[in-house]
Amino acid sequence: QKEVEQNSGPLSVPEGAIASLNCTYSDRGSQSFFWYRQYSGKSPELIMSIYSNGDKEDGRFTAQLNKASQYVSLLIRDSQPSDSATYLCAVNLAYGGSQGNLIFGKGTKLSVKP
Amino acid sequence: DAGVIQSPRHEVTEMGQEVTLRCKPISGHNSLFWYRQTMMRGLELLIYFNNNVPIDDSGMPEDRFSAKMPNASFSTLKIQPSEPRDSAVYFCASRGQDNSPLHFGNGTRLTVT
Repeated sequence: QKEVEQNSGPLSVPEGAIASLNCTYSDRGSQSFFWYRQYSGKSPELIMSIYSNGDKEDGRFTAQLNKASQYVSLLIRDSQPSDSATYLCAVNLAYGGSQGNLIFGKGTKLSVKP
Repeated sequence: DAGVIQSPRHEVTEMGQEVTLRCKPISGHNSLFWYRQTMMRGLELLIYFNNNVPIDDSGMPEDRFSAKMPNASFSTLKIQPSEPRDSAVYFCASRGQDNSPLHFGNGTRLTVT
């Protein structure tokens, strides 16, 4: 059973701080990783894609990937109350009949306090 | 682009009734996914189509659920008969290529009483 694990939270940070969200996955051959943000009552929206080991930065967001450790993270700098949402980690499976499937973690709820 | 379009947005039905959810993927996308989201189980993959062909339906809960994609611009998810435990938000999503991110529709909130 291929799995994607996240801490459910809630993760509470003060406004202006760095929020760190973590995700581990079990499919060692996975090559594509995504972070989605989901506001309550809304659909998931893509924040970041990452395909190679290392860091990828986009504005206040940085995604980090370590394939050897099967670990991907998302850092949000200068957190804002509008960042309060559930963050979903998604992994593209690599092998067998599940190849191409995109599996989601259960999400981490982030709360940014003014 | 109009994005992924799902209908209806809300569906309330009684146990035992047939429910049909509809999805129009983004034009040119060749993969379509159906997910179900609940508080307890999160976002669960039900079935995945590639070029209108079902690739993996191992997430479909039981025979009461069926999905079709008769052409590249339309898919349906049918539940017959519906049960209260089917109450959830059902999302359809599409993408253009393997390894590219998914684009989600607004979802259908299903309530079975």
